Amino acid sequence: EAAVTQSPRNKVAVTGGKVTLSCNQTNNHNNMYWYRQDTGHGLRLIHYSYGAGSTEKGDIPDGYKASRPSQENFSLILELATPSQTSVYFCASGARTGGTYEQYFGPGTRLTVL
Amino acid sequence: AQKVTQTQTSISVMEKTTVTMDCVYETQDSSYFLFWYKQTASGEIVFLIRQDSYKKENATVGHYSLNFQKPKSSIGLIITATQIEDSAVYFCAMREGGVGDNSKLIWGLGTSLVVNP
Repeated sequence: EAAVTQSPRNKVAVTGGKVTLSCNQTNNHNNMYWYRQDTGHGLRLIHYSYGAGSTEKGDIPDGYKASRPSQENFSLILELATPSQTSVYFCASGARTGGTYEQYFGPGTRLTVL
Repeated sequence: AQKVTQTQTSISVMEKTTVTMDCVYETQDSSYFLFWYKQTASGEIVFLIRQDSYKKENATVGHYSLNFQKPKSSIGLIITATQIEDSAVYFCAMREGGVGDNSKLIWGLGTSLVVNP
């Protein structure tokens, strides 16, 4: 049973529109992450969170907001989508302490901004 | 600054052989964790194996093992008896374990492995 799920799996948006990508995890991990993956750039961290109510800027936060309303849910929000935000987005969860330091990924969301 | 480098962009091997993928890292921390992930053709990213910097023994999981050379800041992934389904992109990543924000992973750009029948 998948522990990190993302919705939608595919999304086509128009330039200037608002896009919300959702992520849910059942790992009971404190930390959650949003990455984007583009050819030649690998995985780049957009925002992350230490727990409900917390959001932190990653390496490329411009143009994105994040929301963590609960332990299980973490959303990525594009208020004014642009074609440069066309990418594959991955959500991940990870423990902050306790010996489990790896991250576990969702299946990804392919976003196309026209 | 922390950095992870995978110098091999792609490797092609014959089925049932052994392959080693290279990864070197830079860190000022004395405590850190190293990971290898696999991304399949469908896009799924799967955690494979981890090495803790304070452990001398190389980690092994199934037909994956690591060659940890701490003085060289190197963590190679070894896949023995490769199978067609091992064809994927493999990412190396590092997490620092010291004081401060140690929740983030630093990623390499990946090595594409093709296993031929």
